[in-house]
Amino acid sequence: GESVGLHLPTLSVQEGDNSIINCAYSNSASDYFIWYKQESGKGPQFIIDIRSNMDKRQGQRVTVLLNKTVKHLSLQIAATQPGDSAVYFCAENSGGYQKVTFGTGTKLQVIP
Amino acid sequence: SAVISQKPSRDICQRGTSLTIQCQVDSQVTMMFWYRQQPGQSLTLIATANQGSEATYESGFVIDKFPISRPNLTFSTLTVSNMSPEDSSIYLCSVEGGTSGTDTQYFGPGTRLTVL
Repeated sequence: GESVGLHLPTLSVQEGDNSIINCAYSNSASDYFIWYKQESGKGPQFIIDIRSNMDKRQGQRVTVLLNKTVKHLSLQIAATQPGDSAVYFCAENSGGYQKVTFGTGTKLQVIP
Repeated sequence: SAVISQKPSRDICQRGTSLTIQCQVDSQVTMMFWYRQQPGQSLTLIATANQGSEATYESGFVIDKFPISRPNLTFSTLTVSNMSPEDSSIYLCSVEGGTSGTDTQYFGPGTRLTVL
């Protein structure tokens, strides 16, 4: 089996409920933030991004919230589905040459 | 977004040998990145590879251990040299988004390396 997510914090959610995944970032100079989804055996997949001049951005079933005061980022998934089961990483970019720093990751388990 | 492929998808290697991982992109990109993801961990940037110049390595990674080639705008290789079991990881390449104003990176499927 795959080892991604083996030691990561886990969030268990009932199918159909909303999920909230949180992330604390470290660099106050970061101006661009990204959420990635990594399914077992695959590379990270871009979900949604947000720039530091915004505090909320919505996509299809997903919303990212940014609180720069406390350096906190969250990903909200509406009506969570079994296909949402994966490891989710936040990433921050402090500008320059697109160097992206990844957070520790959260494993989302959807209970059918 | 770009379509990225990696070869091999997985390999099991003996201690002391070297493995070269290939990354192919379906469009021309200026910057390519190599990451390592150790078991149960997040992604750590190894180096940034620009076409026509030496790769830029992050702290803790050196060219002798992870030589990188970038012969053109669609291809790069990462070699894991003189491997030890501690090198067992997923190795991922990524490319910049390429569209105006985006700093997003898109990832290949990864190469799962096990060193015995």
